[in-house]
Amino acid sequence: ETGVTQSPTHLIKTRGQQVTLRCSSQSGHNTVSWYQQALGQGPQFIFQYYREEENGRGNFPPRFSGLQFPNYSSELNVNALELDDSALYLCASSFAGADTQYFGPGTRLTVL
Amino acid sequence: SQQGEEDPQALSIQEGENATMNCSYKTSINNLQWYRQNSGRGLVHLILIRSNEREKHSGRLRVTLDTSKKSSSLLITASRAADTASYFCATDAIDYDYKLSFGAGTTVTVRA
Repeated sequence: ETGVTQSPTHLIKTRGQQVTLRCSSQSGHNTVSWYQQALGQGPQFIFQYYREEENGRGNFPPRFSGLQFPNYSSELNVNALELDDSALYLCASSFAGADTQYFGPGTRLTVL
Repeated sequence: SQQGEEDPQALSIQEGENATMNCSYKTSINNLQWYRQNSGRGLVHLILIRSNEREKHSGRLRVTLDTSKKSSSLLITASRAADTASYFCATDAIDYDYKLSFGAGTTVTVRA
């Protein structure tokens, strides 16, 4: 157990809808990163937040957005869902500048 | 695109045997990490090796890194049924030190 929690565990949405996924960081960690893992693939970096600011972004469109709150918890929002957004979404927390990221159990999103 | 590529894609071994998997990457890195994932759940950090290190051990795990060949290997000795999982290498590239870049993983099945 890493101490990183995510909710919900599973989610089913239809194309065009919007979704919000939540992540609670491990105690003391001030940086959170989000990853998308399609079936049979490795995780792909979406973005990272540090002190409530986006600190880096991968190759994802603007309809993927995030927030980090003062308690370092985080949200991932995806607008105008597409079928290809179906994936496991992982968040990972760490100390700023630390090498190791600690992952939550993920949210499985299915878009129909 | 994925920075790392694992080889083989899948591996089936008998309990007690050793499992070896390899990872190749493309750019200069700060460090390389190995993660384990059970049944599409969250990733568990196994071991980190820095770019100035050549070999590292942790319990039954042995990791090597050859920066001249941009490759790493993970050896699991005396495998157990509980080692059945997908294993991913992740690189922390020098130019993008806020994110981890993962390969597609090696799926290891340990037969009792």
